[in-house]
Amino acid sequence: EPEVTQTPSHQVTQMGQEVILRCVPISNHLYFYWYRQILGQKVEFLVSFYNNEISEKSEIFDDQFSVERPDGSNFTLKIRSTKLEDSAMYFCASQEPGTGDYGYTFGSGTRLTVV
Amino acid sequence: DAKTTQPPSMDCAEGRAANLPCNHSTISGNEYVYWYRQIHSQGPQYIIHGLKNNETNEMASLIITEDRKSSTLILPHATLRDTAVYYCIVRVPSFQKLVFGTGTRLLVSP
Repeated sequence: EPEVTQTPSHQVTQMGQEVILRCVPISNHLYFYWYRQILGQKVEFLVSFYNNEISEKSEIFDDQFSVERPDGSNFTLKIRSTKLEDSAMYFCASQEPGTGDYGYTFGSGTRLTVV
Repeated sequence: DAKTTQPPSMDCAEGRAANLPCNHSTISGNEYVYWYRQIHSQGPQYIIHGLKNNETNEMASLIITEDRKSSTLILPHATLRDTAVYYCIVRVPSFQKLVFGTGTRLLVSP
């Protein structure tokens, strides 16, 4: 069964450093998403991406965040200057083209720890 | 904001059916009911969705009341691996965000 692959599975970074979280969506999917989940809290939407541009972003997705699909297969989330409160699980997801009726496929996540 | 109400937790014995309820009294005519689950800290996993007819797939069954104000996800023979948080989400089929609530934490015990 096709999977969404995320790397690394765990990243530890110092406050103020830049991090890039990587995702390889399912190959025929065209809609991509990033979500995050702070420990013990809800899964929260960050951003959606289609046709090489952001479709929607949440209030969380401020100027410190950016997304890119640099080579047609990878989908990355960059945090420019990490804060302690950015520590969370970050999930990438993709969705099949078509009517939008289908469910998402999520990756296994990257656990980001900012120290 | 999530437009659904689910019990915070439920227990189920292994091998028995797990019936997880969801209230969505303000659902609109064009909104579907989707179910996802999250096992431990893994990414959410799509289970099933429906509009008004009952649906079944290899994972579960979805029963939607005639007035569409509530639904039940049924895992017919729960296993220990079904222990997870189950989320009921109502939305229009689209390429837009999912809004997760707090879900139901299902514990399947031997």
